[in-house]
Amino acid sequence: GQQLNQSPQSMFIQEGEDVSMNCTSSSIFNTWLWYKQEPGEGPVLLIALYKAGELTSNGRLTAQFGITRKDSFLNISASIPSDVGIYFCAGPGGSSNTGKLIFGQGTTLQVKP
Amino acid sequence: DAGVTQSPTHLIKTRGQQVTLRCSPKSGHDTVSWYQQALGQGPQFIFQYYEEEERQRGNFPDRFSGHQFPNYSSELNVNALLLGDSALYLCASSWGQGYRNGYTFGSGTRLTVV
Repeated sequence: GQQLNQSPQSMFIQEGEDVSMNCTSSSIFNTWLWYKQEPGEGPVLLIALYKAGELTSNGRLTAQFGITRKDSFLNISASIPSDVGIYFCAGPGGSSNTGKLIFGQGTTLQVKP
Repeated sequence: DAGVTQSPTHLIKTRGQQVTLRCSPKSGHDTVSWYQQALGQGPQFIFQYYEEEERQRGNFPDRFSGHQFPNYSSELNVNALLLGDSALYLCASSWGQGYRNGYTFGSGTRLTVV
């Protein structure tokens, strides 16, 4: 079945540093979604990507839809303590506007002030 | 404007028992999806309810069932609980069935099976 693999599994960085994480799949996705989950909360959508090669920003966050459509990248610039959380990539698990999302296993980010 | 509300927040059950989890969608939303999130993993799709019917289902056994009420709220039932059912159960609501309509997730119900 469809699977998304995220790396790294966890990161421990200093405040102010930039962060890069990625998500890969063995199959093609036509949409990539990036979510953030904070302790005790559900995931919150950060960025949605719908076109191969697309680069989209949301404040200090930038995500890219890989040209092969089998990968996506998320960068966070000048990290701050509130960036702490688990970042998930996700993609549709079916037809074009299916209700089912496939999630990666997450990248846990910790930021040292 | 309340977001997605899930109850209870925490629950401890014994192996073999049955459990019911509840979800009230965000105001204006008519579709509810349920996800299971095991510790250290990403959420896994269980099923989606729209117009009071199960519309899509993930790879979960029949022990997992659900219901949607006319007011769009939903219940997730799990029978014959196994230790492996211990997880955070997330409810996500949307207007319409597709992911492009945008999901709002609740904070989840933490189920522990002992």
